[in-house]
Amino acid sequence: DTGVSQDPRHKITKRGQNVTFRCDPISEHNRLYWYRQTLGQGPEFLTYFQNEAQLEKSRLLSDRFSAERPKGSFSTLEIQRTEQGDSAMYLCASSLVLSGYTFGSGTRLTVV
Amino acid sequence: LAKTTQPISMDSYEGQEVNITCSHNNIATNDYITWYQQFPSQGPRFIIQGYKTKVTNEVASLFIPADRKSSTLSLPRVSLSDTAVYYCLVGEIYNQGGKLIFGQGTELSVKP
Repeated sequence: DTGVSQDPRHKITKRGQNVTFRCDPISEHNRLYWYRQTLGQGPEFLTYFQNEAQLEKSRLLSDRFSAERPKGSFSTLEIQRTEQGDSAMYLCASSLVLSGYTFGSGTRLTVV
Repeated sequence: LAKTTQPISMDSYEGQEVNITCSHNNIATNDYITWYQQFPSQGPRFIIQGYKTKVTNEVASLFIPADRKSSTLSLPRVSLSDTAVYYCLVGEIYNQGGKLIFGQGTELSVKP
C-alpha cells in the first residue's frame, strides 16, 4: 500500500462546471477525511466518514458540495457549479480510529 | 477544541537547532499536542505527538511544560529539506474526535 492516493493532482475548470475528485485511502483505514486549503492558510475541515457513514460536515460544505464513500472504500468529492472561490487544494486523509492521520498529496483546483 | 498560536514565520541556517513554540492556553485535560509538517504541494505529515514533559523520535523533540499551556517543537541540526510549514494542533489522542483544526502554521525557511 503506497498511502493515500488522490486523483487528479491538478484540475482546471471553467466557472459553472462540475468537478469530481477521487480519494483512495489506505486500505485498512476506516476513517476518511476531506480538507480544503487555500494559499497561506492551514487546511480547513470539510467532512469525514467512518466506513460508509458521513459523520460530520463543516458549514464550509455548501449545498454545491457533496461527498460520498460507497462501500466504505474510496471517496469522491463533487463540486457543482464551481465558483472562483472554490479554487484551492483539496486534501484527503485517512486513519484508523486509534491512529494518526495520513494525508494524500491533494488535488489542486483552479476555477477560471 | 483549543486554539493554538504560533509564529507566522522563522528563518534558520543549515546545521542550527530550531525551536518553534506554540501557545495553547485553553488546552483541555484530555488533549494531546500534535505537530505536522507540510511541504509545498503535499499534504501535512505527522511529526510528533505528546501529552506532557518530553517526547523524542527520529525527527524531532517535543517539550511540554507542566502547565501544558505551551509546547516547543525542536528540530536538531536542520537542513534545507526541513524548509516547510509546521502546524501545532491540540486535540484528543490520535484525534479520536475526528477532525483536525489547523491554524496558520509556522513557515520555516532554512538557508544555506
